[in-house]
Amino acid sequence: EVQLVESGGGLVQPGGSLRLSCAVSGFTFSNYWMSWVRQAPGKGLEWVANIAQGGSEKYYVDSAKGRFTISGDNARNSLYLQMNSLRLEDTAVYYCVRDSRSGGIDAFDIWGQGTMVTVSS
Amino acid sequence: DVQMTQSPSSLSASVGDRVTITCRASQNIHTYLNWYQQKPGKAPKLLIYGASSLQSGVPSRFSGSRSGTEFTLTISSLQPEDFTTYYCQQSSSTPLTFGGGTKVEIK
Repeated sequence: EVQLVESGGGLVQPGGSLRLSCAVSGFTFSNYWMSWVRQAPGKGLEWVANIAQGGSEKYYVDSAKGRFTISGDNARNSLYLQMNSLRLEDTAVYYCVRDSRSGGIDAFDIWGQGTMVTVSS
Repeated sequence: DVQMTQSPSSLSASVGDRVTITCRASQNIHTYLNWYQQKPGKAPKLLIYGASSLQSGVPSRFSGSRSGTEFTLTISSLQPEDFTTYYCQQSSSTPLTFGGGTKVEIK
């Protein structure tokens, strides 16, 4: 079964750090782009970052540049998001997402259940 | 950045109604447009990719179309499980961007 399972969310103070993890199963992690997408409480969806197969390319939304780092570990079939200098506005559910770019699809076709990050003093 | 303007932000309809949701891109994104359905407390689910291709397992009452930079999601006959929120998303260029969402409510 294709599955993405996030972990690492929690409560953190402004300026703090958190590392999100996403365990991938059911497909070959190294063959796919992967993304993080977030959703603030009661708000819409916002793409945060993505990473190419093998990690050769990484892209970020402007608000994450310089603070967040996306990475992947092919041996562990895992995706990560290191978040530093967290702000109140980073409070959201963070989804790990498979960013399919083959077979005619260029879309987020598999989503994890999400992990909640709350930035608050 | 490509801005995605989705309308309406909400609509009221009845079971069996035909519903149309529109997304306009701020520049040419060709057919790099996807539609998602999100139910409360759940992760989004891919419905339509490439503007008009139905994702495997999605009912055929969902369809997508394109006219220039305007994209449409149509639900031909609303079912009770369809009353929820829908988002468009462009995959043409980074930053990848979503529309603001459309909440479909029961009239």
